[in-house]
Amino acid sequence: DQQVKQNSPSLSVQEGRISILNCDYTNSMFDYFLWYKKYPAEGPTFLISISSIKDKNEDGRFTVFLNKSAKHLSLHIVPSQPGDSAVYFCAASADSNSGYALNFGKGTSLLVTP
Amino acid sequence: DGGITQSPKYLFRKEGQNVTLSCEQNLNHDAMYWYRQDPGQGLRLIYYSQIVNDFQKGDIAEGYSVSREKKESFPLTVTSAQKNPTAFYLCASSIVGDLSNYGYTFGSGTRLTVV
Repeated sequence: DQQVKQNSPSLSVQEGRISILNCDYTNSMFDYFLWYKKYPAEGPTFLISISSIKDKNEDGRFTVFLNKSAKHLSLHIVPSQPGDSAVYFCAASADSNSGYALNFGKGTSLLVTP
Repeated sequence: DGGITQSPKYLFRKEGQNVTLSCEQNLNHDAMYWYRQDPGQGLRLIYYSQIVNDFQKGDIAEGYSVSREKKESFPLTVTSAQKNPTAFYLCASSIVGDLSNYGYTFGSGTRLTVV
């Protein structure tokens, strides 16, 4: 059963506007969340993460928001650039203190148009 | 430069054959993982290992086998028992007990096609 869900398979945004990618999870034991970016035929690369003790983490154009009560997190990209076009995966860990394997969502394909 | 290397990048297998995918890392990471990516399925965990000579099954381990004889290496064998092996395979590594910086470091993947 999918414990991390990305319900939007794709998203199209104009350059310069905000991109908002959403992720929901079902396992209340998840305590660490990460976003990865992936290009075709390549491995994912780390983008940004957030611990369950926080509700926001910001790194340049990327901000992740966590709403624990709703079991929801979102990735905001502002401003969006054409180079941001890729597949974005949300991932969660149930035990960040032991390096437990990450659970991934199915990904959201972001297209940023000029 | 430290990193994680998967080889080969493309692999073709005849039905009924076993094939082994290589994964090597020089990041001094204790934990290593194998994932499979299918279109529309995201990344699904096959096997993981947190220490040499020990590994655990993931969500879709049937038809696969692994070994962890060295810290740097975590090869994956796709056996003839795997019913639908055509997929993109990703290897990753991490520091046990610390996902705070980068989480996993991924290799560039191996695309396996059964012909």
